Amino acid sequence: ELKVEQNPLFLSMQEGKNYTIYCNYSTTSDRLYWYRQDPGKSLESLFVLLSNGAVKQEGRLMASLDTKARLSTLHITAAVHDLSATYFCAAVLPQGGSEKLVFGKGTKLTVNP
Amino acid sequence: NAGVTQTPKFRILKIGQSMTLQCTQDMNHNYMYWYRQDPGMGLKLIYYSVGAGITDKGEVPNGYNVSRSTTEDFPLRLELAAPSQTSVYFCASSSYYEQYFGPGTRLTVT
Repeated sequence: ELKVEQNPLFLSMQEGKNYTIYCNYSTTSDRLYWYRQDPGKSLESLFVLLSNGAVKQEGRLMASLDTKARLSTLHITAAVHDLSATYFCAAVLPQGGSEKLVFGKGTKLTVNP
Repeated sequence: NAGVTQTPKFRILKIGQSMTLQCTQDMNHNYMYWYRQDPGMGLKLIYYSVGAGITDKGEVPNGYNVSRSTTEDFPLRLELAAPSQTSVYFCASSSYYEQYFGPGTRLTVT
């Protein structure tokens, strides 16, 4: 059974600071996703990480994947208030040809002025 | 393109009532999914479909049914609604490693 754990679940940080959100998964998975969700809204795709060592960056967010450690990270650089949201990682359930995602519980990020 | 659309946006049901949540996508994707999201939690897969006429259970299928008669539509049926089904329901479709989510349906069962 694939389990996905994120930490921290809650993160309060000051503008301008850096921080990392961690996503661990319990069994082999083909790829790892990061999503952003604003309150009352749907999920917005941020990154899809397809292979070991993959690194993707968009603005102040950078995601990486280490399949051997079963670990993905979402690094926030010089945080700004607009990054306040809940961030989810999700891994693909390893059943050939499947696109079924298993989600973590999410990290609620609050960026304070 | 509208992407993935869901109706209704909000619904209140009484215990024991039934309803169908509608989901339509216009991207010609074969894969479609239904998730539920409980407060403070991530999404959990209810059912999924790999193409018209083919559906399968996800992690939390009890109390739900689905059908897939066309590529575009993937309705979710709730029979005999229970308070435990109070949640936000998201439909998604996927192609080439990317999942596209609908806006969600917020369902309350009282």
